[in-house]
Amino acid sequence: QVQLVQSGAEVKKPGASVKVSCKASEYTFTDFYIHWVRQAPGQGLEWMGRISPKSGGTNIAQIFQGRVTMTRDTSISTAYMELSRLRSDDTAVYYCARDGSSAARLPLWYFDVWGRGTLVSV
Amino acid sequence: QSALTQPASVSGSPGQSITISCTGTTSDVGTYNLVSWYQQHPGKAPKLLIYEVSKRPSGVSNRFSGSKSGNTASLTISGLQAEDEADYSCSSYGNFTFLVVFGGGTKLTVL
Repeated sequence: QVQLVQSGAEVKKPGASVKVSCKASEYTFTDFYIHWVRQAPGQGLEWMGRISPKSGGTNIAQIFQGRVTMTRDTSISTAYMELSRLRSDDTAVYYCARDGSSAARLPLWYFDVWGRGTLVSV
Repeated sequence: QSALTQPASVSGSPGQSITISCTGTTSDVGTYNLVSWYQQHPGKAPKLLIYEVSKRPSGVSNRFSGSKSGNTASLTISGLQAEDEADYSCSSYGNFTFLVVFGGGTKLTVL
């Protein structure tokens, strides 16, 4: 079935960087945007940005601009999210999620497939 | 502080119906029919329940329904079951700061 498999938990020191991967399977990777969403302990979900696996183009939420880099490797159907200059309040579970509408259509801004999440502890 | 406002908790007995509200502004919920709802059990990833205000993905029970009036969207769960006990979050296409804004989540307790 369609799934997104994320990399394992990370423990980092303040000021360091972390790179989380998200491998897609059972669908055409380049057909759907990949979004990144995080959830701090006991808190709500927070959208970080999205990447077009086809073009590599990104939209990053304003508060993360300058600290977040989203990339992809189409040869292995994998998206990456790198967060730099880590702070203690970046401690969270980071999810990748597939956009619910094909990239060929108008975006509908919902997420139909989610990875299991990657815990990043700072 | 989340961009969309949800009640922190709601509760209901098995078989009853409950409604969770999600209040935004004219910059998000009030302007766009791009509201979605997610269910999240503890330690699990969110699961899509509703998209485009009221559409259900295949495989989601018809006990879940969505609606919108003005700046407020709502999720109704009818015929409450024990397995419905979870956190529920809304989201909407949003303003220039975040293209997607989420609510803070509502914890549903089935009594």
